[in-house]
Amino acid sequence: DTGVSQNPRHKITKRGQNVTFRCDPISEHNRLYWYRQTLGQGPEFLTYFQNEAQLEKSRLLSDRFSAERPKGSFSTLEIQRTEQGDSAMYLCASSLVGSGKSYNEQFFGPGTRLTVL
Amino acid sequence: ILNVEQSPQSLHVQEGDSTNFTCSFPSSNFYALHWYRWETAKSPEALFVMTLNGDEKKKGRISATLNTKEGYSYLYIKGSQPEDSATYLCAFGGGLSARQLTFGSGTQLTVLP
Repeated sequence: DTGVSQNPRHKITKRGQNVTFRCDPISEHNRLYWYRQTLGQGPEFLTYFQNEAQLEKSRLLSDRFSAERPKGSFSTLEIQRTEQGDSAMYLCASSLVGSGKSYNEQFFGPGTRLTVL
Repeated sequence: ILNVEQSPQSLHVQEGDSTNFTCSFPSSNFYALHWYRWETAKSPEALFVMTLNGDEKKKGRISATLNTKEGYSYLYIKGSQPEDSATYLCAFGGGLSARQLTFGSGTQLTVLP
């Protein structure tokens, strides 16, 4: 396990369909984050987990979005009834908090690019 | 809403040129400033994490400085090479939540051979 992995790397779907993405963090990391990046913008925070608990959600995360991290390891992000505006790169990151560092260094996966037709 | 801005938005330089980018961020509630390098189809790669005013970090030909009092950071690349072509993102850790990162929109660098 050398880094954060995400699957699938690309997803094309039709408007109205549901999609689910998976993120596998670095194995000993206790925090996991989801970000979304649209063209010409930097990544925007969506939500994060400390172990299995979802501790914070952005106002960007509408009720069509749900994220889980059931055993405190991998996480899934589901989008229901996709809309064209959901087309974006969805990035996952993980970090180890409580390791004595004074900052939160986040390691990113390669992202899942979603295209909603 | 935290405002993190990067300039320029894009930059084309010749191989061998030195270049620099700017990241501006809120000067209050500062926690850390992160620089990432993001090549197409790859994961964003952490370059530097800077926490103290006046910090200077260096990795090979790339270096960065931090001024938390005025809210800016510079990233310098000396003797640019084609493999330096990437999007360089800065991210501010601070504000009400020190857990999430607030990113700028990035500087897209293209180094021409």
